[in-house]
Amino acid sequence: DQQVKQNSPSLSVQEGRISILNCDYTNSMFDYFLWYKKYPAEGPTFLISISSIKDKNEDGRFTVFLNKSAKHLSLHIVPSQPGDSAVYFCAASEPQKLVFGQGTRLTINP
Amino acid sequence: KAGVTQTPRYLIKTRGQQVTLSCSPISGHRSVSWYQQTPGQGLQFLFEYFSETQRNKGNFPGRFSGRQFSNSRSEMNVSTLELGDSALYLCASSLAPLNTEAFFGQGTRLTVV
Repeated sequence: DQQVKQNSPSLSVQEGRISILNCDYTNSMFDYFLWYKKYPAEGPTFLISISSIKDKNEDGRFTVFLNKSAKHLSLHIVPSQPGDSAVYFCAASEPQKLVFGQGTRLTINP
Repeated sequence: KAGVTQTPRYLIKTRGQQVTLSCSPISGHRSVSWYQQTPGQGLQFLFEYFSETQRNKGNFPGRFSGRQFSNSRSEMNVSTLELGDSALYLCASSLAPLNTEAFFGQGTRLTVV
C-alpha cells in the first residue's frame, strides 16, 4: 500500500523554465511534508518542507504547494538550472517515521 | 560539524550470510532511522531508534534488526541474506523522533550474490 505516490518517474525540463514535480498521498493524518533531493552515490538532502496548516512555502527558487482537500503537493523550481538535475523524493511525516514516494528523476536540459 | 557517517560504503555478501551496517549520527542527534532504497520502490522505512529504544518498525521480515547504543550510534543487521536484499541502505539522524528534518548519510550499497 503506497501511501505517498510520485506518479512521474522522470521529468525533462529546459534550463530556465519551470520544473513542477507532483506528489499524492492517501493518509489524511500526515501533518508535515518534505522534499528531498538525491544525487547518485549520495544520501538524500533536505530541500524544503511544509506544515499541513499552510498551503504554500517558498525558499528561493523552490516553492512547495499543498492542497489538503486533494491530498496533493507539488514542488516548483523556477528558474530551473542544470545543477537541479537529480532524483526528487517527496515525504510525509507521521509519528516516528517518514513515508517516501518512489522519486522523480528530473533532468534539466541546456 | 560532521554529518551522518555510514560504514562500510560498499559491501558484497553471499546469499545466506549475515551483515551488519553501522551509522554514526550527527553529534547531538538522538534519533536514527534506517531506510532501504531499491529501484522503483523509493525509500522504504525499516525502523527508528531514539534513546536506545526502537520506536517504530516498517514492514520488513524479522531478518532485519537493529539497535542503538548509548552514544546514539546505530547498527542494522540482516541475517540469512537473500538476493532481494541487494539495495542501498540509508541512515538518517534527527534531533527528535518526529523526523521532520532528517539528515541522511551517503548510504551503504549492499550487493548479495
